[in-house]
Amino acid sequence: SQELEQSPQSLIVQEGKNLTINCTSSKTLYGLYWYKQKYGEGLIFLMMLQKGGEEKSHEKITAKLDEKKQQSSLHITASQPSHAGIYLCGAVRGGSNYKLTFGKGTLLTVNP
Amino acid sequence: ETGVTQSPTHLIKTRGQQVTLRCSSQSGHNTVSWYQQALGQGPQFIFQYYREEENGRGNFPPRFSGLQFPNYSSELNVNALELDDSALYLCASSSPGGGEKLFFGSGTQLSVL
Repeated sequence: SQELEQSPQSLIVQEGKNLTINCTSSKTLYGLYWYKQKYGEGLIFLMMLQKGGEEKSHEKITAKLDEKKQQSSLHITASQPSHAGIYLCGAVRGGSNYKLTFGKGTLLTVNP
Repeated sequence: ETGVTQSPTHLIKTRGQQVTLRCSSQSGHNTVSWYQQALGQGPQFIFQYYREEENGRGNFPPRFSGLQFPNYSSELNVNALELDDSALYLCASSSPGGGEKLFFGSGTQLSVL
């Protein structure tokens, strides 16, 4: 089984709708990165969460870390076609902020 | 634009050959990590270099090796290529003590035939 499970695997929403992507870890989370990726391209940094209960926002994207539940969520408000892509969560394992364990990703499609 | 550049963007090799992929870190970043991303999967950590020395390795065989140079640029070398090595190879850099952000390049798409 995966160390990091993302749900849903894929998501299709209408432009303007809100959506949430979840990332659940089977191990203790020391930190959690969220990235966005266009198909076959590099990863674009969105946010990093380090403390339980931490919540960060950038433009219309908000991410939260629930350390007790070993879970993080990414919420997009009023989605736009530009939000389309693959969203990846990456967990920091003890000892290094550079060795990340990633989930398989969530494919988001936003229909105009 | 992350400032991390990778070359080449695409590469086709045949089984058994050797390949070298290159990464130029963002200015001031002395830590480089390499990841392999197979189709439909998340990236998997290969190894990390800090001040020209390997400083952590994932579950990859020794035929995956790397170098980091004094200017902090880096190479990933793969010997005896196998079909399963076909993937997107990503490098990421970070600044000293700057664990806040890990910047990724656009990747090299390697196809092994």
